[in-house]
Amino acid sequence: DIQMTQSPSSLSASVGDRVTITCRASQGISNSLAWYQQKPGKAPKLLLYAASRLESGVPSRFSGSGSGTDYTLTISSLQPEDFATYYCQQYYSTPPTFGQGTKVEIK
Amino acid sequence: EVQLVESGGGLVQPGGSLRLSCAASGFTFSSYWMSWVRQAPGKGLEWVANIKQDGSEKYYVDSVKGRFTISRDNAKNSLYLQMNSLRAEDTAVYYCARDRSGYGDSRVYMDVWGKGTTVTVSS
Repeated sequence: DIQMTQSPSSLSASVGDRVTITCRASQGISNSLAWYQQKPGKAPKLLLYAASRLESGVPSRFSGSGSGTDYTLTISSLQPEDFATYYCQQYYSTPPTFGQGTKVEIK
Repeated sequence: EVQLVESGGGLVQPGGSLRLSCAASGFTFSSYWMSWVRQAPGKGLEWVANIKQDGSEKYYVDSVKGRFTISRDNAKNSLYLQMNSLRAEDTAVYYCARDRSGYGDSRVYMDVWGKGTTVTVSS
């Protein structure tokens, strides 16, 4: 199985900050990467797929990049509603596997 | 409105069984792979199983192979997860999710999620 490692595990940031979360796969995944946002007590929400494609309805302040084994989720200007936990997930091979999550907290 | 609604969770003793259901609406259920994903208390997400549109292919995470069975009834727009020989480590919120296939096969990400149903395995 492909292992996904996110960093950091948590971060504190202020409204308006630029935030970057990194996801590393244990082998190359050819941009087969999705990012999700999860708020407490709620289901995950798909943000991006194919590493950089924005899901319909997701604000353009969210963006993704990367290649090979290393990928990044960037929030260009953090908004109050963005405080949540973010997960990456590879779908290059079955089983699909998730990173351990990055919790974005208010500074 | 596209919607997934899970049911069937509850408290069960170790070694017991439980059947989860997921009712789909607002989209053509028979056109999509479907998955179950779980989240243990305070932990991250773990994909459990998925099933092809016609039910002909099923895949499982190693930790549930031989104990859990995924199935679907396209006539009823419903997805199921039969869970046998339950263990304490199966305690989690179980989400039903609609799959979007990146390669036209079992390699999927999830674009629609239900709100989840809670399974607690404890004596």
